[in-house]
Amino acid sequence: GESVGLHLPTLSVQEGDNSIINCAYSNSASDYFIWYKQESGKGPQFIIDIRSNMDKRQGQRVTVLLNKTVKHLSLQIAATQPGDSAVYFCAENPARVSGTYKYIFGTGTRLKVLA
Amino acid sequence: NAGVTQTPKFQVLKTGQSMTLQCAQDMNHNSMYWYRQDPGMGLRLIYYSASEGTTDKGEVPNGYNVSRLNKREFSLRLESAAPSQTSVYFCASTEGVGAISYEQYFGPGTRLTVT
Repeated sequence: GESVGLHLPTLSVQEGDNSIINCAYSNSASDYFIWYKQESGKGPQFIIDIRSNMDKRQGQRVTVLLNKTVKHLSLQIAATQPGDSAVYFCAENPARVSGTYKYIFGTGTRLKVLA
Repeated sequence: NAGVTQTPKFQVLKTGQSMTLQCAQDMNHNSMYWYRQDPGMGLRLIYYSASEGTTDKGEVPNGYNVSRLNKREFSLRLESAAPSQTSVYFCASTEGVGAISYEQYFGPGTRLTVT
């Protein structure tokens, strides 16, 4: 699990502060985007998604912003907690192929929450 | 409801040995996927199955084969393991095209080392 996070960009945030994690996506035809959280030794866990007809979506303590003009996604975490420490990555769905979805995943950002 | 399960959790193989990674989902999903995750890289799609009875190559299929045994199970086979196949392998599933949710659910992963 830890080996997955080697060489990733790291964002260090004080507990209680807000975190902003960014992702550039590759395909202007992508119509659906997901943010995942991956804790050490575990599989990716869905956080929030957004469709291309929206530019903002809010969940519990999280907000995703989509800027299609510059192909950019951001994940905002409010009042960051120690349990938020993990690797975060985005995924885009460029097309429905052969009757299913083939997602493209970003490499991820490690979030470290400082006590 | 266990979601997506994978066996084994850990495996060490010698070069040239073969093995099968097992995956099962209990969410009645149509589509299933196999990914590998390497340090500093995003998830890369090995093979996918849009629906029961179909399988297709993903981005990095060489050295692997798959079987969609039934709607629940999707196995990944390494016929002759190589050190380059040392990785963490994740299985995932989605409802499939036409479903309400595009969310992809992941298993806990199999950590494979080939010596």
